[in-house]
Order: sequence, then C-alpha cells, then structure tokens
Amino acid sequence: GAGVSQTPSNKVTEKGKYVELRCDPISGHTALYWYRQSLGQGPEFLIYFQGTGAADDSGLPNDRFFAVRPEGSVSTLKIQRTERGDSAVYLCASSLVGGGQETQYFGPGTRLLVL
Amino acid sequence: GESVGLHLPTLSVQEGDNSIINCAYSNSASDYFIWYKQESGKGPQFIIDIRSNMDKRQGQRVTVLLNKTVKHLSLQIAATQPGDSAVYFCAENSQYGNKLVFGAGTILRVKS
Repeated sequence: GAGVSQTPSNKVTEKGKYVELRCDPISGHTALYWYRQSLGQGPEFLIYFQGTGAADDSGLPNDRFFAVRPEGSVSTLKIQRTERGDSAVYLCASSLVGGGQETQYFGPGTRLLVL
Repeated sequence: GESVGLHLPTLSVQEGDNSIINCAYSNSASDYFIWYKQESGKGPQFIIDIRSNMDKRQGQRVTVLLNKTVKHLSLQIAATQPGDSAVYFCAENSQYGNKLVFGAGTILRVKS
C-alpha cells in the first residue's frame, strides 16, 4: 500500500518568508509525527499528533513553528519568518494508534533551504 | 564530494561479509528500540525492532541484539550486499513516550 508522502520534496525560500510543508500519513494511521534532520545527524522530534490534537509539541524549537492536523489525516507544518538555521530535512512519520512501542513509518522528507 | 555526514563513524565491509553496527543508548527507561536504514535523499526505512523483554530478534538477514545491562544495541547484517550501503540509525522509545530518540548514525559502505 501507499506509504507516507510529503510535499514538496524540495523547498527553497528566502529568509523571513513563510513556508508550509505537507504530510499525508499512511491511510488509517491515527498517530502522526514531525521530525527535523540536520545534515549528518539523526532526526530530532518536533511534534506528535494523536488524531486532530497535538499530544506533544515539546520539540518545536520556538513559536515560529506550528503544525496542524484539522481532520486527523493530512498535517501541515508551518514555519513563519524563516531563518537560515531552519534549513534541514523535515520528516513526517505515522503509526497505527500511537504509543511508545509502535513502529513509526517515515516519509521521504521535505528538504528546506533558507537563503 | 564528501559531505558533513562523513563525521559519522563509517564501517567498510566486503560484499558477502557480515556487518555489525553498534549503538549505545543512555535512557535506562527506554524499552523499545528500532533500527532504521537511510539512503541518500530518502527518509529512514524500518529494518527491525526489539522490545526490552527480549535480548535477540532475527529478521531476514538481520539480527538485533540488546544488552540492557550496558545499554548497548547492535545490528548484524549477514552476507552484506551493495544495496545495504546506507546510514544506519538506532532509535529508542519508552512505553509511555511517543517520540523516538535517534542515535548519531553509522555509515555502512559495502565494497564489491
């Protein structure tokens, strides 16, 4: 079946601009996660959704970052007033119901470059 | 050219040999562990997982070993193939958590 999909695959923007990154999880998965991966490092947790609600947003670096999942399926990660340090690969993952012992399946990521 | 990613430890093996990739974790409360494979330009791909009530689990050509006493995890790949070349990450989670914590990663290079 279809895996996690993310769009766009690449995004180039200018410092100060606003960007939206989209994630389409595996059909039927109620849990959705966003991670950020800098070059040469492992992914770092940003936010976790259980259904429509953000159950854990402790990884969001500051209030420029926000994510929504209004219908419990597709999620959008929004970054305001982008900075060069926001350049990274933004990964989305989903799992069936959520919980610490459940496999998270990752999408291909969106490569964000802030000039 | 070379990338910043090569600051990661690198394991070079000959095609057909067995590979062992190691990972140390720090959180004694972690009770679920996953190995992911990440190829250049792609997202992490699930390989195998293990729960803390086990010390060994086998998959197709892969085996994960867990030593809770020293908080160490290893991934063994049998008969390594060129398609196994990638960066390998271990990740940990706890029964009451929802976020994976990833290790630094190891680059596996398979020589033909």
